[in-house]
Amino acid sequence: DAKTTQPPSMDCAEGRAANLPCNHSTISGNEYVYWYRQIHSQGPQYIIHGLKNNETNEMASLIITEDRKSSTLILPHATLRDTAVYYCIVRPHGSSNTGKLIFGQGTTLQVKP
Amino acid sequence: DAGITQSPRHKVTETGTPVTLRCHQTENHRYMYWYRQDPGHGLRLIHYSYGVKDTDKGEVSDGYSVSRSKTEDFLLTLESATSSQTSVYFCAIILAASTDTQYFGPGTRLTVL
Repeated sequence: DAKTTQPPSMDCAEGRAANLPCNHSTISGNEYVYWYRQIHSQGPQYIIHGLKNNETNEMASLIITEDRKSSTLILPHATLRDTAVYYCIVRPHGSSNTGKLIFGQGTTLQVKP
Repeated sequence: DAGITQSPRHKVTETGTPVTLRCHQTENHRYMYWYRQDPGHGLRLIHYSYGVKDTDKGEVSDGYSVSRSKTEDFLLTLESATSSQTSVYFCAIILAASTDTQYFGPGTRLTVL
């Protein structure tokens, strides 16, 4: 699986947009970008994934650059409950490696009042 | 709520004793996974299962065995627990192969003295 690079920590003011970057310069053509988050002491939670087009769901938006070497997860109106560690993962979709998520260190997002 | 439960939620045991952790799901999902999480290492895959009696190793499988005799239960066994196996253990499932996204249980905190 391709390696990802994320900043170790970020702060965001409550109510503002949180933009979390991820570099994945060695991503392959069949690899998707997945985002998960982990709130303290809980199991990781799926947020969103995409291949090359921008994606949006009820939780967040995912912006993938045209060359697919980086992406940004956007939480449009961060709340205190969004304080968590955010993981960016790249992996093939539905392949025989199904399930082998490789979690890096992620970005600790602190949302402040 | 993906219908995943883990038991026990907390356990303290002594070095050399056998320990079995249980992951239970209620909706007949095919894929199930065991991860461990330690400070500085993120989540690491131990074993996974792609059906009854079908299991495979993850990246940190040494010292662990698994069994899946029925769809709803995936058991993780430490035959002889060591202090290095003190960790938080998470179970996960894939709800639908088409989405290939994992949903995690609440975790089991295991302490080996």
